[in-house]
Amino acid sequence: AQRVTQPEKLLSVFKGAPVELKCNYSYSGSPELFWYVQYSRQRLQLLLRHISRESIKGFTADLNKGETSFHLKKPFAQEEDSAMYYCALSNFGNEKLTFGTGTRLTIIP
Amino acid sequence: KAGVTQTPRYLIKTRGQQVTLSCSPISGHRSVSWYQQTPGQGLQFLFEYFSETQRNKGNFPGRFSGRQFSNSRSEMNVSTLELGDSALYLCASKKTADHYEQYFGPGTRLTVT
Repeated sequence: AQRVTQPEKLLSVFKGAPVELKCNYSYSGSPELFWYVQYSRQRLQLLLRHISRESIKGFTADLNKGETSFHLKKPFAQEEDSAMYYCALSNFGNEKLTFGTGTRLTIIP
Repeated sequence: KAGVTQTPRYLIKTRGQQVTLSCSPISGHRSVSWYQQTPGQGLQFLFEYFSETQRNKGNFPGRFSGRQFSNSRSEMNVSTLELGDSALYLCASKKTADHYEQYFGPGTRLTVT
């Protein structure tokens, strides 16, 4: 069975400090990994996916198949990064999303 | 372009009743998925519909069912409501079944008393 683990429910970081939100997964196959974000009073939205290898709003995430991890990183946190972050996975050809329990990130001014 | 809409936004029902929630996808999107969000279990996949056919199903009892109409609008139904069904129900749409990006609606908050 596929599973996504986000070990931190809450994470507080000072503005300007680096951010790392952890995500580990278990899946037998070739998963596709995503980060979704929900800002206050907004809808859940896609932040980035591992295949695109893009930097979105300064965030990057690298898929480490050896460690089965997909941690989200940003070198310098900004106040507008405060939000709920969900790691999710699906398998190619069957796009059912399995979500982690989420991490609430708070940026301290 | 209008986003995914869900109606109603809030609902209070009594144990044993049934409920129907509605989702209108973004225009042109043909795939609709439903998720249940609770504090204890987080976001859990219920089912996905594409071209009026159920394509995927999560691990929920048969009391949870859904359908999709020819205009891609979708409904989900929960029969014989239980207290544990209290949750935020999210609908998400995407262009095609194999497209990766899902666009979420605001959700319907269901409270079962």
